[in-house]
Amino acid sequence: KQEVTQIPAALSVPEGENLVLNCSFTDSAIYNLQWFRQDPGKGLTSLLLIQSSQREQTSGRLNASLDKSSGRSTLYIAASQPGDSATYLCAVPNFGNEKLTFGTGTRLTIIP
Amino acid sequence: GAVVSQHPSWVICKSGTSVKIECRSLDFQATTMFWYRQFPKQSLMLMATSNEGSKATYEQGVEKDKFLINHASLTLSTLTVTSAHPEDSSFYICSARGPGRYTDTQYFGPGTRLTVL
Repeated sequence: KQEVTQIPAALSVPEGENLVLNCSFTDSAIYNLQWFRQDPGKGLTSLLLIQSSQREQTSGRLNASLDKSSGRSTLYIAASQPGDSATYLCAVPNFGNEKLTFGTGTRLTIIP
Repeated sequence: GAVVSQHPSWVICKSGTSVKIECRSLDFQATTMFWYRQFPKQSLMLMATSNEGSKATYEQGVEKDKFLINHASLTLSTLTVTSAHPEDSSFYICSARGPGRYTDTQYFGPGTRLTVL
């Protein structure tokens, strides 16, 4: 059974700093990994999707990396802004299984 | 593209009543829809998967007679919480997948906050 863990559970950093969020998964038989953002009381916004054949994806100030063999992914946020404050979730589907397993989430607070 | 809506966005009901939540894919055909629930400060837990025109597949521990799911068309799925109780209060989120370029991921709705008094 796939288990997805995110560390840390919560993170507070001053505005302007670069930061890294971590995601680890136990079963490396995935065909992609996705990072989402969730604002309080809202649904999910997809940030980045990395295919299993890729090592990283970039969108603006966000960069996500994937290391399947070690079962890890990171989300790098450059020059953080207060508007980046949210909960960040990673999720993986398994091969032959369209279900997504979500990580435990990291609640990020950017201090102005 | 790939917009999913939910209605209502929030609902308050009395214990014992039934509540229906709608999930619609607005600009693509959703061959598969998923229903999740999320408790405060917790991650999303999959409740069930439904394919258009067939019965939903429920996750272990989810009561299918309590959480009725209907996926009668390629753009609409409904979740009915029957005889709701306070412990059913939660945030319910649906997602959808479709064919072609909508295959790679699930597209999520904005969620429905259910409060049972």
